[in-house]
Amino acid sequence: IAGITQAPTSQILAAGRRMTLRCTQDMRHNAMYWYRQDLGLGLRLIHYSNTAGTTGKGEVPDGYSVSRANTDDFPLTLASAVPSQTSVYFCASSDSEAGNEQFFGPGTRLTVL
Amino acid sequence: GQNIDQPTEMTATEGAIVQINCTYQTSGFNGLFWYQQHAGEAPTFLSYNVLDGLEEKGRFSSFLSRSKGYSYLLLKELQMKDSASYLCATQDSNYQLIWGAGTKLIIKP
Repeated sequence: IAGITQAPTSQILAAGRRMTLRCTQDMRHNAMYWYRQDLGLGLRLIHYSNTAGTTGKGEVPDGYSVSRANTDDFPLTLASAVPSQTSVYFCASSDSEAGNEQFFGPGTRLTVL
Repeated sequence: GQNIDQPTEMTATEGAIVQINCTYQTSGFNGLFWYQQHAGEAPTFLSYNVLDGLEEKGRFSSFLSRSKGYSYLLLKELQMKDSASYLCATQDSNYQLIWGAGTKLIIKP
């Protein structure tokens, strides 16, 4: 693994189903983030984690949950998907200090029908 | 509150210069980032400014005025591959990024 990876690349999901988006980084960054990106709205933070074992809510957390059992992995779970969760989801990581850039995974394109 | 404004779309000609503006109002400021995002791809880092002034990096430069809540990204000698969206983001006191909606830059031959 080089950098940050996400799986799956894309997914079509029936409403009401449970789905986990996976994110793994090998840069030993302490902070990780989940964003959704919708046309005209830019990137919106769903959940974040400043260090393994801790998580926090971002701007749009409802309907999503996360866990951070170790430094490398930060899965995002949709407990019961709804069509409004159709979006492109990006995972990112950084060292959480001033000026440190966030590195992004390639994204997961999720469609909820 | 947090607010970041940048134009939705701009058009420029290959070989020319373009300036993309970003204005912001944030509570807590640890600097401003510019990212580039090609269609269907992830954002990638371009620049970071925390002090007033101009930072130059090859064909790209970024400027910041903290007192005015204003930044711009300057792209010189435009190439077709510069067609992308350019995202402005401020870093708050918790080191999280607050993102603008992005400016789609269209380069014409």
